Amino acid sequence: SQTIHQWPATLVQPVGSPLSLECTVEGTSNPNLYWYRQAAGRGLQLLFYSVGIGQISSEVPQNLSASRPQDRQFILSSKKLLLSDSGFYLCAWSVKGKITEAFFGQGTRLTVV
Amino acid sequence: QKEVEQDPGPLSVPEGAIVSLNCTYSNSAFQYFMWYRQYSRKGPELLMYTYSSGNKEDGRFTAQVDKSSKYISLFIRDSQPSDSATYLCAMTWTGNQFYFGTGTSLTVIP
Repeated sequence: SQTIHQWPATLVQPVGSPLSLECTVEGTSNPNLYWYRQAAGRGLQLLFYSVGIGQISSEVPQNLSASRPQDRQFILSSKKLLLSDSGFYLCAWSVKGKITEAFFGQGTRLTVV
Repeated sequence: QKEVEQDPGPLSVPEGAIVSLNCTYSNSAFQYFMWYRQYSRKGPELLMYTYSSGNKEDGRFTAQVDKSSKYISLFIRDSQPSDSATYLCAMTWTGNQFYFGTGTSLTVIP
């Protein structure tokens, strides 16, 4: 069966510090991968999605970047965090080439102080 | 106009009640519809999915899709306190891009 791992679960970082959130998927190959940010009452905002290694699409211009160095690894990064980067970040995956559901990790709650 | 609209609630019901959660959408191309349940500080977990129109039942949960009205519903029978969570609807037509409602917060009171 497929599983998705996302870490850390919580993170408190000072303004101006770097960020690296990691997500890995097991039990499948060549998945679509996604990073979302969830704000209270505003639903899920798609930040980045990837259809393959090194292929990243950015949905929202911002202080964040994403990379996919391996088939089942997706990383969300920032060089210098802003207060506005605080939020709940979710990684997700879906099967490529099929119209089917997305599966989410457990999320990272980031607080920038 | 948003692609997917969902009443945020909050919705509060007594234990044992029937709960109806709904979403409307604007894009007639959507053909795969999902409901996720999200507990506080956790990631969304897939609850049910339906392809195209019709009903699907799983235990106490029934998902309904009415493509002519661009309206989907999730019914929860005999609601339990453990059903207290936020429920997100989602839909896609490509399998690459997903469109989510903002979520409805549900509390089931014992």
